[in-house]
Amino acid sequence: KAGVTQTPRYLIKTRGQQVTLSCSPISGHRSVSWYQQTPGQGLQFLFEYFSETQRNKGNFPGRFSGRQFSNSRSEMNVSTLELGDSALYLCASSSDRVSSPLHFGNGTRLTVT
Amino acid sequence: GESVGLHLPTLSVQEGDNSIINCAYSNSASDYFIWYKQESGKGPQFIIDIRSNMDKRQGQRVTVLLNKTVKHLSLQIAATQPGDSAVYFCAENRGRSSYKLIFGSGTRLLVRP
Repeated sequence: KAGVTQTPRYLIKTRGQQVTLSCSPISGHRSVSWYQQTPGQGLQFLFEYFSETQRNKGNFPGRFSGRQFSNSRSEMNVSTLELGDSALYLCASSSDRVSSPLHFGNGTRLTVT
Repeated sequence: GESVGLHLPTLSVQEGDNSIINCAYSNSASDYFIWYKQESGKGPQFIIDIRSNMDKRQGQRVTVLLNKTVKHLSLQIAATQPGDSAVYFCAENRGRSSYKLIFGSGTRLLVRP
């Protein structure tokens, strides 16, 4: 079974631009979550989607948004990029049952200059 | 507040010895916990999980212990190998019928040959 796939692997953007990151979950998984990882803040929860509905949201500004499609694939968007948005963005998927583990992709490394 | 902390940021062990990585969590209502291993350039890799109705769970060379009284979680790795060198994170699920993982700051495990 293929794992969680994230594209692109690396991105370089300038301040003020927007960016869209893509995630394909493990086949059959309907829950998709996004996390931001930085050296200073560690791993922080962004949001979780299940069957195209956002079930949970972390404490990030409205510039961070996401969506999930009917095939469970997900995208997240960051608008008006700031230098502090430079991070590794990780997507994770899980089956329907809560208390089954989340499986992570290898992330998209976003650098904002 | 929402925090999952680790007692030691770096743990150095001799190859073949057992390793113990500790974690404290703050929300007594959390009912699901996961340990992840992260290697350089990769996303977190699932190791083992445990629900709050259990005190101990064993996997291959790994054991997770949960002490709900003092809100403490530990990961034991038996016969530590060089391939075990990585950063280890504990995570606590704060979601209710959903996923919202709160991660600890991580412990770097170094295995000396």
